[in-house]
Amino acid sequence: DAGITQSPRHKVTETGTPVTLRCHQTENHRYMYWYRQDPGHGLRLIHYSYGVKDTDKGEVSDGYSVSRSKTEDFLLTLESATSSQTSVYFCASRGAYMNTEAFFGQGTRLTVV
Amino acid sequence: AQKVTQAQTEISVVEKEDVTLDCVYETRDTTYYLFWYKQPPSGELVFLIRRNSFDEQNEISGRYSWNFQKSTSSFNFTITASQVVDSAVYFCALSEAGGGSTLGRLYFGRGTQLTVWP
Repeated sequence: DAGITQSPRHKVTETGTPVTLRCHQTENHRYMYWYRQDPGHGLRLIHYSYGVKDTDKGEVSDGYSVSRSKTEDFLLTLESATSSQTSVYFCASRGAYMNTEAFFGQGTRLTVV
Repeated sequence: AQKVTQAQTEISVVEKEDVTLDCVYETRDTTYYLFWYKQPPSGELVFLIRRNSFDEQNEISGRYSWNFQKSTSSFNFTITASQVVDSAVYFCALSEAGGGSTLGRLYFGRGTQLTVWP
């Protein structure tokens, strides 16, 4: 299995506070992704990265920012957490070719109170 | 518009029944890739299969089989003789390789919750 880890695995935070989730991969994968998973919505893309310092928005990017200063790390920041951002967040990575599958982290359960 | 549609939100079957999970996709690219993932109750996402747009051969792996039909933009997944351990959420995904602005994106459907009862 690809080495991809997320931290923290669980977090409870208060409304209005900034939160950063970290994703680390050891496969030298080019692409990295942040998804959120909510009941009835499946996996929705927040942001993705196609290289160091190269990122693009997904379908639900409002209220989130990302950074990728190294190939192996992809950070997701909730600038000012809201209750609607309570969700399970998954990070994924995959190689440079579109025929490769993505490998997922274990997920981060974030609760905003 | 949804790039990947999984119209079945939930399916319940009894063990040993066959079950088919539907996936319909939308793309203008001629080169693309389709995937199926499984998410068991433990929560991790597990890759099951990949199919490219040039290969319409059906594939069988044990009790699992996949039917890819470009004419109907569908990539359906069948489990034969289902078992309780097959209970999971199953996701279909699409990756476009046409080189446009969507290159690199990986689109998922909303998933189908399959419950297999003993």
